[in-house]
Amino acid sequence: NAGVTQTPKFQVLKTGQSMTLQCAQDMNHNSMYWYRQDPGMGLRLIYYSASEGTTDKGEVPNGYNVSRLNKREFSLRLESAAPSQTSVYFCASKRGLAGLTDTQYFGPGTRLTVL
Amino acid sequence: EDQVTQSPEALRLQEGESSSLNCSYTVSGLRGLFWYRQDPGKGPEFLFTLYSAGEEKEKERLKATLTKKESFLHITAPKPEDSATYLCAVPFSGGYNKLIFGAGTRLAVHP
Repeated sequence: NAGVTQTPKFQVLKTGQSMTLQCAQDMNHNSMYWYRQDPGMGLRLIYYSASEGTTDKGEVPNGYNVSRLNKREFSLRLESAAPSQTSVYFCASKRGLAGLTDTQYFGPGTRLTVL
Repeated sequence: EDQVTQSPEALRLQEGESSSLNCSYTVSGLRGLFWYRQDPGKGPEFLFTLYSAGEEKEKERLKATLTKKESFLHITAPKPEDSATYLCAVPFSGGYNKLIFGAGTRLAVHP
């Protein structure tokens, strides 16, 4: 099992460019998440998908869109990148059992720089 | 407002010098507390889940404990390989799906 995989590992964009970050999990999990991590601020939730076919906003959704492509894949899109979106992005997944706070498992991250 | 605060921000220990990291939280109706370890350039790695006050979990040199307002991660006789950032997280009030994370404690253990 690869667990949670993310591509690319690194990316540099110019202001205004667009890109999509890809995430896939092979653990048959129902729920998937996108976070950003900035120095001194911890992980902040951007969007999540509690189950296939649903998506919801997290703490910091502005400037991002997501697509739950199927049960395995959850992508994050930046339509018009801004320097404030320079960050490390993590994808996570969990089984998503009803009525239980089960464990989230994280991918290795994508380091994004917007010039 | 839901909040998770970790202290200290950074901790430097000598090998073998035991200490504790703190995670305090303000959420209503705690539905679990998670500890993760994060190495530089990598994603968070799950360590423990605690669900109720008084619960304790152990793994090698680490022991996590939980009260109604805070959790401690005790590190006994640490080694340099224990150097990492330790994160704690709790679910937002009223739900099971979303976690709120603390900013983490950066631990450095020197030989």
